[in-house]
Amino acid sequence: AQTVTQSQPEMSVQEAETVTLSCTYDTSESDYYLFWYKQPPSRQMILVIRQEAYKQQNATENRFSVNFQKAAKSFSLKISDSQLGDAAMYFCACLSGSGTYKYIFGTGTRLKVLA
Amino acid sequence: ETGVTQTPRHLVMGMTNKKSLKCEQHLGHNAMYWYKQSAKKPLELMFVYSLEERVENNSVPSRFSPECPNSSHLFLHLHTLQPEDSALYLCASSQGLLAGGNYEQYFGPGTRLTVT
Repeated sequence: AQTVTQSQPEMSVQEAETVTLSCTYDTSESDYYLFWYKQPPSRQMILVIRQEAYKQQNATENRFSVNFQKAAKSFSLKISDSQLGDAAMYFCACLSGSGTYKYIFGTGTRLKVLA
Repeated sequence: ETGVTQTPRHLVMGMTNKKSLKCEQHLGHNAMYWYKQSAKKPLELMFVYSLEERVENNSVPSRFSPECPNSSHLFLHLHTLQPEDSALYLCASSQGLLAGGNYEQYFGPGTRLTVT
């Protein structure tokens, strides 16, 4: 069965510092996609970054980057120069296969940014 | 944040009531989705619609009945719910189906449902 595990229910980071959120996944599919979503308090969930499994290069979006370790089935999110607006729940997700909807989310990590 | 709207934002209903959740997307997308977000549980994909046709139903109980009259609107009809159905119900849309095109989903703010 496909699973996504976020082992850190909560993390804190000092403003301007760097934090890494962990995510491990398991899928039997060779074709899959990985995502990080951000859900700020009382606001809509938005996509932060995505990674195609067939791409070896780690995805980067401004201050957000991932460390994709395919063999280890690890997909961590690094946030550099943390800002107060980064405080949110972060969800890791895996979409497996083609033409299917095995779209599994982790339980989330709550990130607190300390001023 | 106005690309996908959901109404109502909060709903309290008894187990014998019938209610409907509404989702509207203003992005010109062709695919729409319903998710359930329960406390301390992973987000669950419930239904997927593409061009008004349901393409996925992830073993959701029949007390949840989706309807997609056009590509801009999605409803979730609720009847004889259970207290464990209390959750945040999120709607999302995407330009194409997750598995076939644009993979980015745009989420609505959700409807907080409480079943008493």
